[in-house]
Amino acid sequence: GAGVSQSPSNKVTEKGKDVELRCDPISGHTALYWYRQSLGQGLEFLIYFQGNSAPDKSGLPSDRFSAERTGGSVSTLTIQRTQQEDSAVYLCASRRAGGENYGYTFGSGTRLTVV
Amino acid sequence: DQQVKQNSPSLSVQEGRISILNCDYTNSMFDYFLWYKKYPAEGPTFLISISSIKDKNEDGRFTVFLNKSAKHLSLHIVPSQPGDSAVYFCAASAYGNDMRFGAGTRLTVKP
Repeated sequence: GAGVSQSPSNKVTEKGKDVELRCDPISGHTALYWYRQSLGQGLEFLIYFQGNSAPDKSGLPSDRFSAERTGGSVSTLTIQRTQQEDSAVYLCASRRAGGENYGYTFGSGTRLTVV
Repeated sequence: DQQVKQNSPSLSVQEGRISILNCDYTNSMFDYFLWYKKYPAEGPTFLISISSIKDKNEDGRFTVFLNKSAKHLSLHIVPSQPGDSAVYFCAASAYGNDMRFGAGTRLTVKP
């Protein structure tokens, strides 16, 4: 597609349930990133995929968070046993390798609310 | 460990005047700096960038200045327009790796 697509756009879940957030990057973009923005906070780095390399998971806040990227394209961020502090907007971004300005293209995000 | 800091959560300016948004960083390995603009319910969009080998980059009404010795960069918008009202994020990366973002500054341009 023309842009980065994220689904669902909104998700309300009960505390303790698992959720999956999906990201479809721009075709041909080899790098994919997940960030989250909690209320009143900046963008917090979560995880980074680059081609076939092992992902950089250094930003994942706990072992309840995991992410996959299948076939070098679509990525799924999974949060197990959700907690209220997981409520945030989860943003996915992709970029092509190299590039003139390292600029990322972001999706519109998934707003997760844990009640 | 906040490596990129935007110490002003909000800024209000009059239409036609200059908006100056500031950003400080701590990691001397950062070699690329970017500004993103974010409207409500949308993802951030790339605005302007600067490499560490430069101290200024200009694109229309937007100019980014980099002071490496002070580890400081700023975004100037001249003249400011009401449509510029948004949250502006400063970001930095080292050797093309993941970007680190500041907390953002909400700019309001009053007509």
